[in-house]
Amino acid sequence: EAQVTQNPRYLITVTGKKLTVTCSQNMNHEYMSWYRQDPGLGLRQIYYSMNVEVTDKGDVPEGYKVSRKEKRNFPLILESPSPNQTSLYFCASSLRSGTGGGNTIYFGEGSWLTVV
Amino acid sequence: GENVEQHPSTLSVQEGDSAVIKCTYSDSASNYFPWYKQELGKGPQLIIDIRSNVGEKKDQRIAVTLNKTAKHFSLHITETQPEDSAVYFCAVKAMDTGRRALTFGSGTRLQVQP
Repeated sequence: EAQVTQNPRYLITVTGKKLTVTCSQNMNHEYMSWYRQDPGLGLRQIYYSMNVEVTDKGDVPEGYKVSRKEKRNFPLILESPSPNQTSLYFCASSLRSGTGGGNTIYFGEGSWLTVV
Repeated sequence: GENVEQHPSTLSVQEGDSAVIKCTYSDSASNYFPWYKQELGKGPQLIIDIRSNVGEKKDQRIAVTLNKTAKHFSLHITETQPEDSAVYFCAVKAMDTGRRALTFGSGTRLQVQP
C-alpha cells in the first residue's frame, strides 16, 4: 500500500529541547516536502527536496532543518523548538515536482506538535 | 509570490443539496489547480484537479470549473452526503516554478446536515 508515514503522531515538548519528526515514503518518490497547518492559514510549505541531497527552503523555513540522505526518508528537525512552532505538521511526497499527470501529492497523516 | 483566497471558511448544507467553494489566485502563470479533502485526524487527499487547458472537469458528484481570465476556480459538490463533511482546500501551482510546491487556500469546513 502506498504510504507516507510520519512519527511521532503526537508530541508535547519543552522550549529548546531538540526534536526530530521522521517521514518515510514507500513509493520511490523523488519529491518530498514538509508543511505546517495552522488555523485560518491553510498549509504552508516549510522545506522541500527534489531528490537525495537536494533540499531547499519553502515559505516558512525559519527554525527548521531537514536532510535527505536517502530517497525514502525526509526528517524534519527542530533544533530549538519555540511555542510558535506549535502546529500540525504534514509530510508529503510525489513522483516528481511537476504538474504533469501522475504527480499527485500524497500526504502523511500529520504530527501534532505542542511546544510549552 | 502566489496568493490564494478561499471562500467561504465554513459552509453548512442539507443532505442532498449542492455545495460550492470558490478560490481566487494572483499569479497568472499558475496552471494547475487541485482540490484536497481533509477528514478529521487525517492528511489531505486529492479529490479532483484541473489544468489550465480545460475549463471544467467532472468526477461523479464532484466538479471543478476554472476561469483563467478572472483567475478563479470553484469546487462543486452535488447531492451532498454526510460523508462529504470535511475541510476542503484549494491549491495552485505554476508549472514553471518546478521546484516549489503548491500554494494552498485557507480551507473551507463543510458540514452536511442529515
